[in-house]
Amino acid sequence: SQKIEQNSEALNIQEGKTATLTCNYTNYSPAYLQWYRQDPGRGPVFLLLIRENEKEKRKERLKVTFDTTLKQSLFHITASQPADSATYLCALDVGRDDKIIFGKGTRLHILP
Amino acid sequence: NAGVTQTPKFRVLKTGQSMTLLCAQDMNHEYMYWYRQDPGMGLRLIHYSVGEGTTAKGEVPDGYNVSRLKKQNFLLGLESAAPSQTSVYFCASSRARQGGPDTQYFGPGTRLTVL
Repeated sequence: SQKIEQNSEALNIQEGKTATLTCNYTNYSPAYLQWYRQDPGRGPVFLLLIRENEKEKRKERLKVTFDTTLKQSLFHITASQPADSATYLCALDVGRDDKIIFGKGTRLHILP
Repeated sequence: NAGVTQTPKFRVLKTGQSMTLLCAQDMNHEYMYWYRQDPGMGLRLIHYSVGEGTTAKGEVPDGYNVSRLKKQNFLLGLESAAPSQTSVYFCASSRARQGGPDTQYFGPGTRLTVL
């Protein structure tokens, strides 16, 4: 069956360090992968999209990589700040269907 | 632009009652979605629509119905609420593009409790 896994439910990182979150998938061949941020009590907000033919995408302190051989995406936040604390969701398109599938998310805590 | 709005924000129902959740978007998006989010389960797709007058089932459609009579609105109905439908419901919309949907814009959510 199709499956998306985000590496851990929660991750604690010291302020100023790089936070790395993992998204692994099986039985998919997604054309693109997205990362969203969700704060408590709010809806998810889109951060970055990376296509299957792109190895890396950057936006300010955020970097996403996409390895279709390993079936894995890594999401990095450099110079992390307490304001980066949130839940981060990865999402994949599922091919010809007009929808995307979300992982369960990783709760990131940046410790001051 | 308001983006995606959801009505109501909170609701408490008794088992067997019915209700309709309203989602509205002002971005002229073709695609609209209803998700539910439960602790430890992530976002699960209930129903979605790829255009006015069309709907399709998602991962967890049982106990829900939807309608998309106008492009900007997507309604989610619970005909006979059950405690298992206690959840936070999110609506989302996206543009249509070749190869699948674009990035999704989410509403603020509706917190529903069924007693």
